[in-house]
Amino acid sequence: EAGVAQSPRYKIIEKRQSVAFWCNPISGHATLYWYQQILGQGPKLLIQFQNNGVVDDSQLPKDRFSAERLKGVDSTLKIQPAKLEDSAVYLCASSPRGARGEETQYFGPGTRLLVL
Amino acid sequence: AQSVTQLGSHVSVSEGALVLLRCNYSSSVPPYLFWYVQYPNQGLQLLLKYTTGATLVKGINGFEAEFKKSETSFHLTKPSAHMSDAAEYFCAVSDPFGNEKLTFGTGTRLTIIP
Repeated sequence: EAGVAQSPRYKIIEKRQSVAFWCNPISGHATLYWYQQILGQGPKLLIQFQNNGVVDDSQLPKDRFSAERLKGVDSTLKIQPAKLEDSAVYLCASSPRGARGEETQYFGPGTRLLVL
Repeated sequence: AQSVTQLGSHVSVSEGALVLLRCNYSSSVPPYLFWYVQYPNQGLQLLLKYTTGATLVKGINGFEAEFKKSETSFHLTKPSAHMSDAAEYFCAVSDPFGNEKLTFGTGTRLTIIP
């Protein structure tokens, strides 16, 4: 079974530029998550999709971050414009059914973003 | 709101020695508890989880953890460390009555001394 795929793996941009990340979850997984992991910290949930609907985006900085899940499968996360503090690893994860809290989340390798 | 505290951002043990990584949580209800491992330049991988039932949970690679409600703890142990255990370990909680949102601790970097 193929895992969660993410691209690009690395990205370097200058502040005020825009950037987009792509995620392909495990086939058939209903729930998709985007996390931000700043160096020295644990991952922080940015947004959670159930199929193509948003379940939780309470920690997404909506003035600059946006995300969509195309046809309930792939997802893109965009930052526009980027700030220095957006430098982090962006992790995508998926889980099968969206059950109540007990399911395992499967993580992709992440995209490492450096904003100069 | 839920939170997780991992005591010790860096832990070093000798190869063959006991590994003990500490995790304490704060939650208004008994949460679901998870340990994830992250190897360099990789995503997180589930080691083990506690949802209900037996409080001693066994995971992959010889790791286990015990849920102690009275101590609000979920410490991770392994009897004998191996060089391949060097990684970063994250404890996480989720709300059994909510969505699947995970709240992570800040992580513990485990170094194995040859």
